[in-house]
Amino acid sequence: AQRVTQPEKLLSVFKGAPVELKCNYSYSGSPELFWYVQYSRQRLQLLLRHISRESIKGFTADLNKGETSFHLKKPFAQEEDSAMYYCALSFVGTNAGKSTFGDGTTLTVKP
Amino acid sequence: DAGVTQSPTHLIKTRGQQVTLRCSPKSGHDTVSWYQQALGQGPQFIFQYYEEEERQRGNFPDRFSGHQFPNYSSELNVNALLLGDSALYLCASSPGAGNNIQYFGAGTRLSVL
Repeated sequence: AQRVTQPEKLLSVFKGAPVELKCNYSYSGSPELFWYVQYSRQRLQLLLRHISRESIKGFTADLNKGETSFHLKKPFAQEEDSAMYYCALSFVGTNAGKSTFGDGTTLTVKP
Repeated sequence: DAGVTQSPTHLIKTRGQQVTLRCSPKSGHDTVSWYQQALGQGPQFIFQYYEEEERQRGNFPDRFSGHQFPNYSSELNVNALLLGDSALYLCASSPGAGNNIQYFGAGTRLSVL
């Protein structure tokens, strides 16, 4: 069965430091991977989609199929990056629409 | 565009009762998914509706059922409520059943006493 693991429940860094939020997945196929973010008192929103290969708000994420990982990285964290981050896996093809989320990592960026 | 809207925002029920939650998708979206999010956990996929039919389903019992209307809005029904059904229920919409990008509502907080 598919599974998404975010090993760190909490992550704290200082402003200007690099940050990496880990995401590992298990799925016997080629999934679509996402990072969603939830800022304080806001709804869950899309941050990154692996097939877009974009940098959003300075964040990037590379899909490593060999290690089945999709870690989120930012070279210089900002205080406004403090939020809850969820990694999500979505099926493609005939099972498109089913999604599995990790349990999230709370990122705190200290001044 | 108000985005995805859910009602009510909060709900309190007792064990054994039935509940209906409602969702209006983002303008232009025809696909609605429902999730259950327990405290401290990520959202868990319940099911997805497209063209007024349940298209995908997660590992939830038949007590959880849904409906999609011709205007793409959707309802989630839960029968015979259990204490363990207490959670935040999230609705997400997408512009097409094959599009996995989801736009989330603010959720309905259900408490079962």
